[in-house]
Amino acid sequence: QSVLTQPPSASGTPRQRVTISCSGSSSNIGSSTVNWYQQLPGTAPKVLIYTNDQRPSGVPGRFSGSKSGTSASLAISGLQSEDEADYYCAAWDYSLKGWVFGGGTKLTVL
Amino acid sequence: EVQVVESGGGLVKPGGSLRLSCVASGFTLGGYSMNWVRQAPGQGLEWISAISSSSVYKYYADSVKGRFTISRDNAKSSLYLQMDSLRAEDTAVYYCAKCHSDSECGWFDSWGQGTLVTVSS
Repeated sequence: QSVLTQPPSASGTPRQRVTISCSGSSSNIGSSTVNWYQQLPGTAPKVLIYTNDQRPSGVPGRFSGSKSGTSASLAISGLQSEDEADYYCAAWDYSLKGWVFGGGTKLTVL
Repeated sequence: EVQVVESGGGLVKPGGSLRLSCVASGFTLGGYSMNWVRQAPGQGLEWISAISSSSVYKYYADSVKGRFTISRDNAKSSLYLQMDSLRAEDTAVYYCAKCHSDSECGWFDSWGQGTLVTVSS
């Protein structure tokens, strides 16, 4: 059971917009910034969104993040087949004194 | 190019020990906090340990506290994870992950390719 809660799966057709939610508590998302990681099949994770809504260089503008209270969301617009991957949210938990991840959301492009 | 490369994984019996290494290149390891994150087969990511740049601060997930020890040798650009009293549930790919900064980690901006640890009799 992960500390942060994500839907196990999400799907959409090409060019659609998809959102993935991440729910936490006051000790993690409520007190910290949220990062999102993308893990393409068979590869290591890479940062997709950091500090709630910032994109590293090289990440397309189709990806955006937001945070409100103890929840966060990742939105992907103009869905493409290469976006098929697992997506994880993460935040520092001040009670646990460690990083916590969501269980991951497997995105399928239909 | 910033790169971290893990090694040391393998097959070990329950109750055994293993030491993982992570060698950094393209940046000065001593300027950053570092982490170990693992992923059991077919499962999600689990953070297990972090260490500050000067080794003053060390953090562990409850699942490994008392069994795993994180350390580093900045002169050798290396991060380590000593794993003792291994259990079947420790079977996973172990990733080394670099923090964006030292003062406040922020996020993991570089990950290695991972090393597989299998605990089985």
